[in-house]
Amino acid sequence: EDQVTQSPEALRLQEGESSSLNCSYTVSGLRGLFWYRQDPGKGPEFLFTLYSAGEEKEKERLKATLTKKESFLHITAPKPEDSATYLCAVQDSTSYDKVIFGPGTSLSVIP
Amino acid sequence: DTGVSQDPRHKITKRGQNVTFRCDPISEHNRLYWYRQTLGQGPEFLTYFQNEAQLEKSRLLSDRFSAERPKGSFSTLEIQRTEQGDSAMYLCASSPFRGTNEKLFFGSGTQLSVL
Repeated sequence: EDQVTQSPEALRLQEGESSSLNCSYTVSGLRGLFWYRQDPGKGPEFLFTLYSAGEEKEKERLKATLTKKESFLHITAPKPEDSATYLCAVQDSTSYDKVIFGPGTSLSVIP
Repeated sequence: DTGVSQDPRHKITKRGQNVTFRCDPISEHNRLYWYRQTLGQGPEFLTYFQNEAQLEKSRLLSDRFSAERPKGSFSTLEIQRTEQGDSAMYLCASSPFRGTNEKLFFGSGTQLSVL
């Protein structure tokens, strides 16, 4: 059965302190891996899609990478407005392209 | 493009009552997903549709839950005989699936509280 795990559960950073979030996955057929950002009381907002091992995507202070078993979301010199929950999700090509989410990492960036 | 719309935003009900939520996807999006999310957890897959066809329903989902998408446009999620454990945020998402990777567009959710 498809499974997505994320670590750490919560992360507290000082402004400017870079770090990485981890997403580990088990899926029968990976069509794509996604990263979303979710602010309190709102629906998730799309950040990136990664399709194959070795691929990297960047957006402002965020960079996502993908291997055969996991993905990392690197945050460089974060700012307080980067505080949010970051969700990882996988799309299973063997199950009508169902999208399954992980539990998320709650990031707090302190000024 | 007005985004994914969910109604109501909040619903308070008593245990044992039935509730129904509505989701209006972005027009021309053929895929529609329902997820449930509790505090501190990621969205839990409930069911999804391609046009009017329901592709899969979570095996963990009680028979009290049912969803429809008549004519492949809006969708409704009904919970019968609600229980306190049903209290959660119910999220709807849509996407323009064309046989390749999809990006989901989420609504703001319906927050259900069962007293």
